[in-house]
Amino acid sequence: IQLTQSPSLLSASVGDRVTLSCKGSQNINNYLAWYQQKLGEAPKLLIYKTNSLQTGIPSRFSGSGSGTDYTLTISSLHSEDLATYYCYQYNNGLTFGSGTKLEIK
Amino acid sequence: EMQLVESGGGLVQPNGSLKLSCAASGFTFNTYDMSWVRQSPGKGLGLVAGISIKSYNYATFYADSVKGRFTISRDDSQSMVYLQMNNMKTEDTALYYCTAINPGYYVMDAWGQGASVTVSS
Repeated sequence: IQLTQSPSLLSASVGDRVTLSCKGSQNINNYLAWYQQKLGEAPKLLIYKTNSLQTGIPSRFSGSGSGTDYTLTISSLHSEDLATYYCYQYNNGLTFGSGTKLEIK
Repeated sequence: EMQLVESGGGLVQPNGSLKLSCAASGFTFNTYDMSWVRQSPGKGLGLVAGISIKSYNYATFYADSVKGRFTISRDDSQSMVYLQMNNMKTEDTALYYCTAINPGYYVMDAWGQGASVTVSS
């Protein structure tokens, strides 16, 4: 399964509601996770099984979707959310999306 | 706290070999599938190899780009996972992360800090 993330680059302001998209080449059956990678750090799991928040992750992060289309939403952008976000499917093999780089205006 | 620490990275010539090691602690190692994920400079994440637990006969899986050249293995008695890399190519240059795959929902919920591998003459 191939994953296409859009946009590849997103610029937003602190306080904005931000939506990132991930589209699979076939049905992912909700086996979709999101990772956050800050510069110079290892990726960190944010959300698994489409909408389950990993322990310790702020509630401003949420996930949704079904079938082939999934979304990560940040309800109110914080400056520390500057990072690249990757979706990851584990329904059929294990694959990562190409990432969305989130910049703060 | 789950912890993964990679070692063994470095500079290697094309067609050379290198072995990465990953020491795990803070969780029941023998219940977790393990994997190696790499990230080329300025690029995204890509699965390199994975290995399952004993009850699944330590089944392994590899990215097409490394099949026949890389071998993943594990030692449950030492809580270690390894990646033997042979016949290395310049395109194998990357930061290699060791990851632990949660047995409940099969996501990589622990990552090491990464081992840097450079393939160059």
